[in-house]
Amino acid sequence: TQLLEQSPQFLSIQEGENLTVYCNSSSVFSSLQWYRQEPGEGPVLLVTVVTGGEVKKLKRLTFQFGDARKDSSLHITAAQPGDTGLYLCAGGRGSNYKLTFGKGTLLTVNP
Amino acid sequence: DAGVIQSPRHEVTEMGQEVTLRCKPISGHNSLFWYRQTMMRGLELLIYFNNNVPIDDSGMPEDRFSAKMPNASFSTLKIQPSEPRDSAVYFCASSEANTEAFFGQGTRLTVV
Repeated sequence: TQLLEQSPQFLSIQEGENLTVYCNSSSVFSSLQWYRQEPGEGPVLLVTVVTGGEVKKLKRLTFQFGDARKDSSLHITAAQPGDTGLYLCAGGRGSNYKLTFGKGTLLTVNP
Repeated sequence: DAGVIQSPRHEVTEMGQEVTLRCKPISGHNSLFWYRQTMMRGLELLIYFNNNVPIDDSGMPEDRFSAKMPNASFSTLKIQPSEPRDSAVYFCASSEANTEAFFGQGTRLTVV
């Protein structure tokens, strides 16, 4: 059972465009993490959100945790080729170590 | 620090052979994780060690998979015998007291 659904699965845009990717679940999570994974590398943590409704900004990236802590979104403003990669969300419950990962959104930003 | 170091980066083996993947966590980290990533199933936790002790191995697919952590600086994931459906990228990650986990570059395993 896929507990975390990410959409879209693939996204190809031009440099300078804005985009939003989504992470949805029918389950409540105590925390939600977003990672970026580049080809041939492991995932790298971008942000952790823990409070329903929480919004965090990381330069041109804005992360939001849904009020009910079941969903999250990642918005990128003025995308750049360096933003290209696989964006993964991961939900945590109780024990901090056990994360459930979505399958990811593969983003390509064309120059 | 060099980060989490995994070896080999790529492994191609024949069905039925034993495969051993290796991981050196970041010095000082007391938690170590083995994950498997495939297109179909995404990233799945296989096993979690805390202070060298296996805490949760519920993600290990079957008895063909085993993992050890003989000391704080080394862990292995072994598949014996290997099968084509084991083909995937295997990641090792480490963290300090369940804070941010740092992933290695992964081992791409192909079983033919």
